[in-house]
Amino acid sequence: GNSVTQMEGPVTLSEEAFLTINCTYTATGYPSLFWYVQYPGEGLQLLLKATKADDKGSNKGFEATYRKETTSFHLEKGSVQVSDSAVYFCVPDTGRRALTFGSGTRLQVQP
Amino acid sequence: KAGVTQTPRYLIKTRGQQVTLSCSPISGHRSVSWYQQTPGQGLQFLFEYFSETQRNKGNFPGRFSGRQFSNSRSEMNVSTLELGDSALYLCASSLGGTGLTNTEAFFGQGTRLTVV
Repeated sequence: GNSVTQMEGPVTLSEEAFLTINCTYTATGYPSLFWYVQYPGEGLQLLLKATKADDKGSNKGFEATYRKETTSFHLEKGSVQVSDSAVYFCVPDTGRRALTFGSGTRLQVQP
Repeated sequence: KAGVTQTPRYLIKTRGQQVTLSCSPISGHRSVSWYQQTPGQGLQFLFEYFSETQRNKGNFPGRFSGRQFSNSRSEMNVSTLELGDSALYLCASSLGGTGLTNTEAFFGQGTRLTVV
């Protein structure tokens, strides 16, 4: 089945630092890929998505490019803010109408 | 438009009791999924409903059940509560039409259930 490997956290950065959270996937074919974010005490929000190879998803300054040659969907942001502190989940489309979440990566941004 | 609404936000129950949680999806969305989030197990899929039919089910005991009404609102029920059922229960809605797999899922803020 489809699965992802996501870097473990926590990732601790200073404000305005560059962020990369690695995500690689194994899949049959090229599934849609999502990044979800969970802010403290909140539910989940879709941050960005890519539905096919070479697609780039972007939102709120975050970007991720679906790279089939490296089977990766790394999340990047050029300058993080304290308000970006959250848990980030890289999620593949399993084709089962059910999202499979890993443990996520906790990001802590310090002022 | 209004987002996904889950009620109640917080709930405290005693072991052995049962509980019903409610989820109102985004207007026009026909698919509702439920997830359990715990510190130990993370986010796990419970079940998914579409047009009042359960289409998909996760690996949870029969104490966990759900249903969907004709207006797409969904409820999940947990009977004979155990301490380990303490969790954040999240509901997600999507268009979920026939032939689609995962469309964009919108999550509610969740119901935090504490079993004592």
